[in-house]
Amino acid sequence: DTGVSQDPRHKITKRGQNVTFRCDPISEHNRLYWYRQTLGQGPEFLTYFQNEAQLEKSRLLSDRFSAERPKGSFSTLEIQRTEQGDSAMYLCASSRPGGFIDGYTFGSGTRLTVV
Amino acid sequence: KNEVEQSPQNLTAQEGEFITINCSYSVGISALHWLQQHPGGGIVSLFMLSSGKKKHGRLIATINIQEKHSSLHITASHPRDSAVYICAPRGFGNEKLTFGTGTRLTIIP
Repeated sequence: DTGVSQDPRHKITKRGQNVTFRCDPISEHNRLYWYRQTLGQGPEFLTYFQNEAQLEKSRLLSDRFSAERPKGSFSTLEIQRTEQGDSAMYLCASSRPGGFIDGYTFGSGTRLTVV
Repeated sequence: KNEVEQSPQNLTAQEGEFITINCSYSVGISALHWLQQHPGGGIVSLFMLSSGKKKHGRLIATINIQEKHSSLHITASHPRDSAVYICAPRGFGNEKLTFGTGTRLTIIP
């Protein structure tokens, strides 16, 4: 296992288009997180899955955003009707059970630019 | 007031200097992460600690739960240590991290 993979690495889209990002966590990690990072800021929590269950969503996750983890493995984050303010780095992380003992593993992120 | 504050925001030092980055947080936590982020976005988890002190190579992290304060130290700093260092406490119950805005460290040869 080579770590947390995110695809694509970069995405440029026109305002109003829909985009979907994918995250493949480390296989034995049952927890998966999405964060968003805008320029010059630290990452902000978006949502969190334990297996296939989405347990928490941030208020930052407007109704244009939806995340799924259908089989408890990979996850997708979809943004509908993109706006320029959605331009950011979208980071995925995963952790194993008993997560308070282990650290997180982050993916390299998907950089979204909405033009 | 931000829940997580780091200082300094920017730090430039000469190669070999001892580096200290501070983190203060305002809420109860179950653990705290120190993360390193290089240009281009990749984040690496350096430490997770809930008490005391941890050491890994030239890096040392300490935490004082009662004072809600943590520090990251780098000994014998090197230009390859240049990166943004982020403090991220983890809450009780849920597993999400709350991130500081980071400290941009530049080590000059």
